[in-house]
Amino acid sequence: AAGVIQSPRHLIKEKRETATLKCYPIPRHDTVYWYQQGPGQDPQFLISFYEKMQSDKGSIPDRFSAQQFSDYHSELNMSSLELGDSALYFCASSFYLSPRALEQFFGPGTRLTVL
Amino acid sequence: QQPVQSPQAVILREGEDAVINCSSSKALYSVHWYRQKHGEAPVFLMILLKGGEQKGHEKISASFNEKKQQSSLYLTASQLSYSGTYFCGTGGGATNKLIFGTGTLLAVQP
Repeated sequence: AAGVIQSPRHLIKEKRETATLKCYPIPRHDTVYWYQQGPGQDPQFLISFYEKMQSDKGSIPDRFSAQQFSDYHSELNMSSLELGDSALYFCASSFYLSPRALEQFFGPGTRLTVL
Repeated sequence: QQPVQSPQAVILREGEDAVINCSSSKALYSVHWYRQKHGEAPVFLMILLKGGEQKGHEKISASFNEKKQQSSLYLTASQLSYSGTYFCGTGGGATNKLIFGTGTLLAVQP
């Protein structure tokens, strides 16, 4: 079965640079969630989209922005990177109208390292 | 508010049982359980939607006490593959964003 795809899997950036993380949800899934997980921490919700509209916002810095495109893939744009942005970034998807709408399927994550 | 899990860590021998608890100070509408191995994505185990609901998944089951705002995950006859960090997550609401618990590190030894 198809899973959530994230790219790149690993990314190394310098401070103050920008980064773009991509997420391709499971086919037919219309909802995308982004989570950030620092070393030894639990995943923290950043932002979510439903049908290409932002549906909720969590602890996402103003330096970050995201959007969901017409093909339902999503991109997380991060600017003025800081050392503290180093983390695993997970994307999860779900299908709002399915009986299993509450289940979120996680992608493999993008490991961002800021030097 | 973040759900609090207990214990923080537990070490088991293969075949032993364990219980992981998840408590919230806010009303729970749904409880999600995930297992995460180091550096990998959280893997969905189960979701509980109703107070008092119990669900099972192979030798892993869970209960949900809506009144006490608590959920417990039961692992029986543990296997080496059960090792990892277990997270409960509270979801529901209009957008179903997950608020993950503090996590429980489980290590199963031969």
